Amino acid sequence: AQSVTQLDSHVSVSEGTPVLLRCNYSSSYSPSLFWYVQHPNKGLQLLLKYTSAATLVKGINGFEAEFKKSETSFHLTKPSAHMSDAAEYFCVVSEATGGSYIPTFGRGTSLIVHP
Amino acid sequence: NAGVTQTPKFRILKIGQSMTLQCTQDMNHNYMYWYRQDPGMGLKLIYYSVGAGITDKGEVPNGYNVSRSTTEDFPLRLELAAPSQTSVYFCASSYSLRDEKLFFGSGTQLSVL
Repeated sequence: AQSVTQLDSHVSVSEGTPVLLRCNYSSSYSPSLFWYVQHPNKGLQLLLKYTSAATLVKGINGFEAEFKKSETSFHLTKPSAHMSDAAEYFCVVSEATGGSYIPTFGRGTSLIVHP
Repeated sequence: NAGVTQTPKFRILKIGQSMTLQCTQDMNHNYMYWYRQDPGMGLKLIYYSVGAGITDKGEVPNGYNVSRSTTEDFPLRLELAAPSQTSVYFCASSYSLRDEKLFFGSGTQLSVL
C-alpha cells in the first residue's frame, strides 16, 4: 500500500531565502513521485515528477526535488523564494494497483513568503 | 485545447437534494478521476475510471456515483446531499499508464446547507 506524509502543514520563509518542503513516502514497489502546486482559488499544476530516471529532478519556477530511496524521501527545494511562490504544495505518490496507477496525495504544505 | 472543464464552479444545495457535477476533457485521456479537497486534508479520491464503461471506487466513494459512457465525459452524481459533502471537487485526467501527470479542472465549490 502506498502513502505519503508531508511533514509540515505550514512553512514560512522570507523572500530571497531557501525553501524546503518535506515529503516522505511509503510504497511497496518503485513509485512515481510528484509535486503539485495550487495557487489560491486555482486548480493544481504539476511542478515536477520522478519516474526512476535521475534522482535529482528539476521542475518549473526554479524548484527541484531529490529522490532518496534509503530515506524514502522526496523533499522539494528552491534556492531563493519569491513572493509568487506563496501557495499550497502537494506531494503525490503513484504506484501500480491492479494494473492502474492511482495517485495518492499528501495533506499539503502551505508556503508563506514574507517580504 | 480547453483541457479539463468542470461545471458548475459554485453551487449551494439543501440537505437531501441531488445534483450532477459535470466533467469533460478534450485530450482523449483514458484515465479520469474525481477528488474532493477539504482544508488540511489534501485531495481524497472519490472515484476513477480507466476508460469508457469502466469505473472503480476510490478512498471516499460513499454518497457518490459516477458513469463513463464516453471517453470525454465523467460526471459525478451526488444523491441525497449531506453537510459532510461540503467541499471543493476536482476532476482530473491523465493519458496513460506510464505518463501519470494529472491535468486538473478548475474545481467546483459545493456547499450543502
